[in-house]
Amino acid sequence: AQSVSQHNHHVILSEAASLELGCNYSYGGTVNLFWYVQYPGQHLQLLLKYFSGDPLVKGIKGFEAEFIKSKFSFNLRKPSVQWSDTAEYFCAVISNNTDKLIFGTGTRLQVFP
Amino acid sequence: SAVISQKPSRDICQRGTSLTIQCQVDSQVTMMFWYRQQPGQSLTLIATANQGSEATYESGFVIDKFPISRPNLTFSTLTVSNMSPEDSSIYLCSVEKGSPYEQYFGPGTRLTVT
Repeated sequence: AQSVSQHNHHVILSEAASLELGCNYSYGGTVNLFWYVQYPGQHLQLLLKYFSGDPLVKGIKGFEAEFIKSKFSFNLRKPSVQWSDTAEYFCAVISNNTDKLIFGTGTRLQVFP
Repeated sequence: SAVISQKPSRDICQRGTSLTIQCQVDSQVTMMFWYRQQPGQSLTLIATANQGSEATYESGFVIDKFPISRPNLTFSTLTVSNMSPEDSSIYLCSVEKGSPYEQYFGPGTRLTVT
């Protein structure tokens, strides 16, 4: 079955630490990749997306993600986190076979000042 | 982008009753989606609702349990019928807007069934 895995369920960091959240998917073929963020008490927001082209994509608030096709991965990174980055982060994938957005289980990030 | 509102934002319901959740978008969209997010789990697609056609349900979800209406291009409803405690979840609607496959989500409806 097609799936999306986020291996880090809960990450705790201090401000200014670097962040990398893992995301792996099990689809073959062409995929479109997304990271969504849900801040406390707010709705899901699109953080960044990859459709094609440069595998390193930049999103809002200093986040970036790298698509590595050979590893079926789309890891999210930020060089220096802030307290305001405390949120839940979801990786999601659509393949051209399914046309359905499949979500990972999410990673809860807590950043302490 | 799109601005999406949902009503109610939360509700506590008795077993065996039904609840209808409304989703309103600030602009016309073709594709709307309904998701469920159970406690501690990820989002699962319930169905896709396109205006003018029957909703398409995902495996494990049936129309009798989750009837959906899509009367126009800015509005949809999801009904959770004959509720049981297992239906306690956050229900979210989303729309596809802008780039293909790019979805925007509503704030969700937190449902608790007692």
